[in-house]
Amino acid sequence: GAVVSQHPSRVICKSGTSVKIECRSLDFQATTMFWYRQFPKQSLMLMATSNEGSKATYEQGVEKDKFLINHASLTLSTLTVTSAHPEDSSFYICSAQLRGLETQYFGPGTRLLVL
Amino acid sequence: LAKITQPISMDSYEGQEVNITCSHNNIATNDYITWYQQFPSQGPRFIIQGYKTKVTNEVASLFIPADRKSSTLSLPRVSLSDTAVYYCLVGDPRGSTLGRLYFGRGTQLTVWP
Repeated sequence: GAVVSQHPSRVICKSGTSVKIECRSLDFQATTMFWYRQFPKQSLMLMATSNEGSKATYEQGVEKDKFLINHASLTLSTLTVTSAHPEDSSFYICSAQLRGLETQYFGPGTRLLVL
Repeated sequence: LAKITQPISMDSYEGQEVNITCSHNNIATNDYITWYQQFPSQGPRFIIQGYKTKVTNEVASLFIPADRKSSTLSLPRVSLSDTAVYYCLVGDPRGSTLGRLYFGRGTQLTVWP
């Protein structure tokens, strides 16, 4: 149980294009999903908190117009990196949490490379 | 937010028990302590979670003293495949932070043959 998937696992795109990453909780309903970014040799950095049916809450310094988050259902959240640039190249990881439980379950991550 | 301190790195040999201690002096009353394991290019994997005393599951034990200002993750008889980064996190899923997790640098555990 408690499986979280991400799609795609890796993506290469040209500078200026937009990329959508999906995060799904496969066997439970996640009222809250979180998005993280991780650069090489560094720790995970929380980007935003996504609650089903409401606007995402972004961490300080994260541009909400750059990183669009949609949490349309209890099992799906999407992160869209708009007008991606090489500095957006990173490892993006989502996690999902069921209300009332204290544990977050993480997806396998998506490697984004912007050329 | 609780300030977390854990060793940057640890080394061990196969078959040994490894204890990684995490300091969280200003842990709040409702905070839980959670440990995650991360391999390169993978998402963190949940290991264990606790609030107080001792918690044990099939892969690890978590020891939390009465003052809760520290916690120790114990990995029995490690193998080469336990080489990974281990993160100690403190948070309250129902409180003001609404479950947001802030990762520190973690502890790089290297297991040698």
